[in-house]
Amino acid sequence: DSGVTQTPKHLITATGQRVTLRCSPRSGDLSVYWYQQSLDQGLQFLIQYYNGEERAKGNILERFSAQQFPDLHSELNLSSLELGDSALYFCASSEDRGYYGYTFGSGTRLTVV
Amino acid sequence: AQTVTQSQPEMSVQEAETVTLSCTYDTSENNYYLFWYKQPPSRQMILVIRQEAYKQQNATENRFSVNFQKAAKSFSLKISDSQLGDTAMYFCAFMPDNTDKLIFGTGTRLQVFP
Repeated sequence: DSGVTQTPKHLITATGQRVTLRCSPRSGDLSVYWYQQSLDQGLQFLIQYYNGEERAKGNILERFSAQQFPDLHSELNLSSLELGDSALYFCASSEDRGYYGYTFGSGTRLTVV
Repeated sequence: AQTVTQSQPEMSVQEAETVTLSCTYDTSENNYYLFWYKQPPSRQMILVIRQEAYKQQNATENRFSVNFQKAAKSFSLKISDSQLGDTAMYFCAFMPDNTDKLIFGTGTRLQVFP
């Protein structure tokens, strides 16, 4: 157990639907990161939050949004889902800056049918 | 744009042998960090080793060591005394000093045979 908890582990949903992925960071970590892993795009950075504030944004679609709550857990919201959104979504956390390396969760496998 | 290239899609090694995974990167930055992450079939991403670009000395973590060649922008991973549990996908990743964002390579699938 890495200490980063992601729920659910698997999610199957239909095109056009909206889902929420949840992440609880490792105890003491203030930064949360979201990554998407797909066969065609590999591992792509989506967004980073630090202590409730957005710190960096990557290749995140407008249909996707995220937030970090006062208790530091984070949610990634994916809406108007398309088949191409099927992927493994990882959350990771770090104490502050990420240059010591992140701790990753075990991911949420999203399948859009 | 900063990129990371792993030119070996797949590799295999016999148990107890040594294997080296290659990684090159492209950047104009002078300060940055480099990482190797392991993703076993369980899909968990696990940090194997990290290197700070301003440190000349190559990082080592038990059976894992790197050969960091800054001028050549090369960052290879050597696994000594390979074990069956080393079977996994290995990702090389780059982080510029002015961001916490990881840029990943496409990965090398390593199979360790008994």
